[in-house]
Amino acid sequence: AQTVTQSQPEMSVQEAETVTLSCTYDTSESDYYLFWYKQPPSRQMILVIRQEAYKQQNATENRFSVNFQKAAKSFSLKISDSQLGDAAMYFCAYRTNTGTASKLTFGTGTRLQVTL
Amino acid sequence: NAGVMQNPRHLVRRRGQEARLRCSPMKGHSHVYWYRQLPEEGLKFMVYLQKENIIDESGMPKERFSAEFPKEGPSILRIQQVVRGDSAAYFCASSRRGVEGANVLTFGAGSRLTVL
Repeated sequence: AQTVTQSQPEMSVQEAETVTLSCTYDTSESDYYLFWYKQPPSRQMILVIRQEAYKQQNATENRFSVNFQKAAKSFSLKISDSQLGDAAMYFCAYRTNTGTASKLTFGTGTRLQVTL
Repeated sequence: NAGVMQNPRHLVRRRGQEARLRCSPMKGHSHVYWYRQLPEEGLKFMVYLQKENIIDESGMPKERFSAEFPKEGPSILRIQQVVRGDSAAYFCASSRRGVEGANVLTFGAGSRLTVL
């Protein structure tokens, strides 16, 4: 079974600075997707960024980018120029690309605080 | 274009009562997923449904929990004889087709169940 580990329960960053959230996963598969979701106090789960395992190039979405290290099974999220609105829980998630491919396996989350 | 709609947002039940949570997927989406989030934890997959079919229920507790997605109307997650351990946020997500390939899930805002 796949597992996703987020070892940082809480992180803090100053506005306009850069922060990196860690995520590692365990799988024996070679074809899968990785995601970062943001959950603000409203509890809505918002997709931040996704990465396809067969793509070597790291995904980027505006101020958000990932460092995908497939051999190390690491998938960290970098937030540049942090804004107050970035404060939220961030969840890393894994999804197989085989079989019914229906399940997302989530980590336990990292709570990001953004300070002035 | 309304997103995934869940209701009620908050539900309070006493032990032994039944809880019914509803989910209307995004327009054009025919695949529905239910996830549960316990306090301070990530989301855990429960069940994946298409219209009138349960595709994957490997995350559903064996007893008291059931889900349906009828031909007409919303998907329903039903919890019979609730216990305090059922207190959680229940999230519904939908997708246009199966999650093969690059499709991603769109999440609702969740329903928070409190069992007294």
